[in-house]
Amino acid sequence: NAGVTQTPKFRILKIGQSMTLQCTQDMNHNYMYWYRQDPGMGLKLIYYSVGAGITDKGEVPNGYNVSRSTTEDFPLRLELAAPSQTSVYFCASSYPPGLASGNEQFFGPGTRLTVL
Amino acid sequence: AQTVTQSQPEMSVQEAETVTLSCTYDTSENNYYLFWYKQPPSRQMILVIRQEAYKQQNATENRFSVNFQKAAKSFSLKISDSQLGDTAMYFCAFMKGSGGGADGLTFGKGTHLIIQP
Repeated sequence: NAGVTQTPKFRILKIGQSMTLQCTQDMNHNYMYWYRQDPGMGLKLIYYSVGAGITDKGEVPNGYNVSRSTTEDFPLRLELAAPSQTSVYFCASSYPPGLASGNEQFFGPGTRLTVL
Repeated sequence: AQTVTQSQPEMSVQEAETVTLSCTYDTSENNYYLFWYKQPPSRQMILVIRQEAYKQQNATENRFSVNFQKAAKSFSLKISDSQLGDTAMYFCAFMKGSGGGADGLTFGKGTHLIIQP
């Protein structure tokens, strides 16, 4: 049971380039999330998904896109990278609230992205 | 919208001492959940403790306990017998109970806790 895995761990992009951050979970969680963490700050929600085929915007969605074709995978797409997208990106997953898990979100190890 | 405030950017205590990290939040929700997450230098987010707002009893997990004051919208974390491995960033987080929790966690800015040998 690997939990939540993210690739790559590190990436440097040039302004205007695009890339996809991969996220996979093997816990059969319905809910998945993408957060970003800027230096000295807490995490902020970019996008979330409550199941395959269903996604919605979080607090800071501009410049990003997501898709959810399977329960396991929730990739985050950056189009036309900008320096403001330099951050650490975390993927997380959970069961729907109300179950015995108590709403715990399980986090991946993060991807450090630098846009120059 | 919810807000979470952690007023202590950094704290430092000696090993084996007790330390309390502060967190206040603002919400109009009645049903919600509160969490403390630990982020060591490895960057991994680790759940320390959680509290359901409908429960009056404060949550405890071994050396970690919370003081949940719903009326005051306060949720502090107490670490007893602190250990060097407790050195990390600690984040307080809020989740709405309504809407299925799908809008994720709202985090504070964090407190950097340093345990001195």
